Amino acid sequence: EPEVTQTPSHQVTQMGQEVILRCVPISNHLYFYWYRQILGQKVEFLVSFYNNEISEKSEIFDDQFSVERPDGSNFTLKIRSTKLEDSAMYFCASSEAEQGAEEQYFGPGTRLTVT
Amino acid sequence: GENVEQHPSTLSVQEGDSAVIKCTYSDSASNYFPWYKQELGKRPQLIIDIRSNVGEKKDQRIAVTLNKTAKHFSLHITETQPEDSAVYFCAASPSYNTDKLIFGTGTRLQVFP
Repeated sequence: EPEVTQTPSHQVTQMGQEVILRCVPISNHLYFYWYRQILGQKVEFLVSFYNNEISEKSEIFDDQFSVERPDGSNFTLKIRSTKLEDSAMYFCASSEAEQGAEEQYFGPGTRLTVT
Repeated sequence: GENVEQHPSTLSVQEGDSAVIKCTYSDSASNYFPWYKQELGKRPQLIIDIRSNVGEKKDQRIAVTLNKTAKHFSLHITETQPEDSAVYFCAASPSYNTDKLIFGTGTRLQVFP
C-alpha cells in the first residue's frame, strides 16, 4: 500500500537557522498539506497546496514559512529562521480528492528540535 | 473559525468492553469528519470517516455517529483489544470551500487485558 514518506525523521537545528523538511506524497494524489503537532498538543493545520500554489494557510504559517514542489515527487516545507517555538512534529499529508479535505493520509513526521 | 472539542482526554477500559469518544464542532457548515488513530511515535492513521449527509457508519468493530443538529459526532469501539490502545483524534473540515482539517485535542485510550 502506498504511503507518504518524510525525511529526515529528526532534525536538530540552532535558533535562527534555516531548515527544509521533505515529503514525498502518494503518487496519484493532488492535494498536499503540512500540519504540526507540538509535544502533547493537538495536530494543527499549517498550509494546503494544490496545482503548484498555496490554496490555504493558517495564522501559524507566517513569512518565515514557505512550501515548494520542486519536482514531480517532492513537497518541501522551509522555515527560514527557526525559533524555539517552532520545535514540534511536522506532518505532511496528501489527498487524492479533486475537491479538498477528504481522506488525508499522513506521513510519519519529522521531529524538529530548535535549540 | 471552526473549533473542535474532544472528550474525554483519557479513557481506560477492560479488554472486551466498549469505548466511546465524543467530539463537538462549532461550524454548522462542516461537512467531513474523520477519525485518526496515533500510536506512540507513529503517524496519525485514518480509521473511519463520515460525511454530513450520513448519520452513522460502521466498519467491523468501529462505528461513527453524527448528529448535525447538535453538532457532535462520536467514535464507538466495541469488543476492545489491547492493540486498540493509542491516541485517537477527531477532526472536522469546516466547509466545502476549504481543504484543511481542524483537529480535536485527542483521547488517550488504554485497553487493559
